[in-house]
Amino acid sequence: AQKVTQAQTEISVVEKEDVTLDCVYETRDTTYYLFWYKQPPSGELVFLIRRNSFDEQNEISGRYSWNFQKSTSSFNFTITASQVVDSAVYFCALSEAKTSGSRLTFGEGTQLTVNP
Amino acid sequence: DADVTQTPRNRITKTGKRIMLECSQTKGHDRMYWYRQDPGLGLRLIYYSFDVKDINKGEISDGYSVSRQAQAKFSLSLESAIPNQTALYFCATSDPTSGSSAGELFFGEGSRLTVL
Repeated sequence: AQKVTQAQTEISVVEKEDVTLDCVYETRDTTYYLFWYKQPPSGELVFLIRRNSFDEQNEISGRYSWNFQKSTSSFNFTITASQVVDSAVYFCALSEAKTSGSRLTFGEGTQLTVNP
Repeated sequence: DADVTQTPRNRITKTGKRIMLECSQTKGHDRMYWYRQDPGLGLRLIYYSFDVKDINKGEISDGYSVSRQAQAKFSLSLESAIPNQTALYFCATSDPTSGSSAGELFFGEGSRLTVL
């Protein structure tokens, strides 16, 4: 069975601080996808990134960066110079590749609050 | 207009009532999903459908049923609602053939259900 753990339930930082959200996953599959979604206070779910298990390169997109380490089954998300607009719940998710990445298993979510 | 539309967006009902949540999409995707979000539990899969003739149970299907009326429509029913079904419900779609977006879920805006 697949499992995703986001051990940090809530994180509070002051604007401009860097913050890392942890994600640890379990799967028996050798190929899989990892995702991060953002849920702002308005409630919608916003896709941030998809990573294929074959690709362990870290990725940077503006202030966001992701560190995928297969050896530790982790896919951590860092926000550099955080802003108030980054306040949201962030979900890490895992899916099996054999069904072309459908049926995501989500972590519990991390509530990030960025204070001015 | 949103690509994935859920109705109603908010509903308050009483224990024992039958409730239907509807989802329609204009993305042309074959795959559709119903997820439930509870605080501290993330999103959990209720049912999913890979095409009109295919319906599958997710991890928490008890107390729910679904109907895939057409490629674009996927409804979730609570035959006899109970208070612990109070949650935020999301419909989603995906397209496994869409290259870089394969596996990505496209979510509706959510339906908040309260069962008294």
